[in-house]
Amino acid sequence: GDSVTQMEGPVTLSEEAFLTINCTYTATGYPSLFWYVQYPGEGLQLLLKATKADDKGSNKGFEATYRKETTSFHLEKGSVQVSDSAVYFCALSDSGGYQKVTFGTGTKLQVIP
Amino acid sequence: GAVVSQHPSWVICKSGTSVKIECRSLDFQATTMFWYRQFPKQSLMLMATSNEGSKATYEQGVEKDKFLINHASLTLSTLTVTSAHPEDSSFYICSARDLLAGDQETQYFGPGTRLLVL
Repeated sequence: GDSVTQMEGPVTLSEEAFLTINCTYTATGYPSLFWYVQYPGEGLQLLLKATKADDKGSNKGFEATYRKETTSFHLEKGSVQVSDSAVYFCALSDSGGYQKVTFGTGTKLQVIP
Repeated sequence: GAVVSQHPSWVICKSGTSVKIECRSLDFQATTMFWYRQFPKQSLMLMATSNEGSKATYEQGVEKDKFLINHASLTLSTLTVTSAHPEDSSFYICSARDLLAGDQETQYFGPGTRLLVL
């Protein structure tokens, strides 16, 4: 079955540091890939997505590129802020009509001033 | 736009009682809603897919008689945990897809309901 693996946290960075959160996936077909973010006390929000190989999703300074050859969708940001502190989930949606979403285990990011 | 609410946000109940959790799409219509369960430091586990006007589709290993799902309208789905036991204590999250949106893949999540069964 489909699966998503992402790096364990927590990740602690100083403000303005470079962020990378690794995500790899296993899926049949051609899934769409997502990054969701969960701020403290809130529900998950879509951060960015990519629907086919080599697509780059971007939002709020975050970006991730759909790499089919390495089955990866790593999340990056050049300069993190304290307000980026949250839990980040990598996910995929299968390409069938059911479009079931499979989530990774989440990576907690803490940015310190 | 695309706001999903859940009620209650947290609930404490005695073992053996039933608890109902509501999931509402506030500003859009959702033919499909999803119910997830999240354990501490773990990912979201899909429990079931709720379709308006029809029976829910449960994932393998999820007891349909214990977790009753009703999707009576395009904006409301309910999850009832029947005869709750301490092992049912968890964080329950719903999500919905916007029927009219061009993007049929993105899910909009509610803030979650924390259930504690004593």
